[in-house]
Amino acid sequence: NAGVTQTPKFQVLKTGQSMTLQCAQDMNHEYMSWYRQDPGMGLRLIHYSVGAGITDQGEVPNGYNVSRSTTEDFPLRLLSAAPSQTSVYFCASSYGDSGGGYTFGSGTRLTVV
Amino acid sequence: KQEVTQIPAALSVPEGENLVLNCSFTDSAIYNLQWFRQDPGKGLTSLLLIQSSQREQTSGRLNASLDKSSGRSTLYIAASQPGDSATYLCAVRDNDMRFGAGTRLTVKP
Repeated sequence: NAGVTQTPKFQVLKTGQSMTLQCAQDMNHEYMSWYRQDPGMGLRLIHYSVGAGITDQGEVPNGYNVSRSTTEDFPLRLLSAAPSQTSVYFCASSYGDSGGGYTFGSGTRLTVV
Repeated sequence: KQEVTQIPAALSVPEGENLVLNCSFTDSAIYNLQWFRQDPGKGLTSLLLIQSSQREQTSGRLNASLDKSSGRSTLYIAASQPGDSATYLCAVRDNDMRFGAGTRLTVKP
């Protein structure tokens, strides 16, 4: 049972480049979300999805796009990377959108130069 | 907007000591509260999940309590060990999940 798998683990981008962070879960969880973790800021919600075909914005959505074409996958796209997007990104999933506990991926450490 | 606060921000204790980490939240209309552990440079590992209808959960040397009406949760760690050194995060779930900034715990041998 792999849980939540994130790729890549590390990435360096130049300002203006685009890329997609991958997230996949094999637990048939309906709910998936993306967070970024910055020193002194804690974990902040970027986007979330309550099921295939449904996505919504979190606390800090600007500069990021998401889609949810399958239950298993929830990719996060950076359209035009900026140094302010240097962070550690975590994907999480859970059953339902209320009572389930969260399972986290191991994270992607992104540096934008 | 839900605000989650964890006190203290950092804690250093000698091995063997019992300790309590605190978490408070501003809106009591939550579905559940979850405690996580994060080691440096690593992801989040779930420790305990307490549903809103529950008062506490236990796993080994860990016990978490929830007082929803007062907006408080505590994580009790018994007989602390150096391997317990990590950052402990509290998170509450309402429409989404909100995290505290964490307590960085150091257990000295």
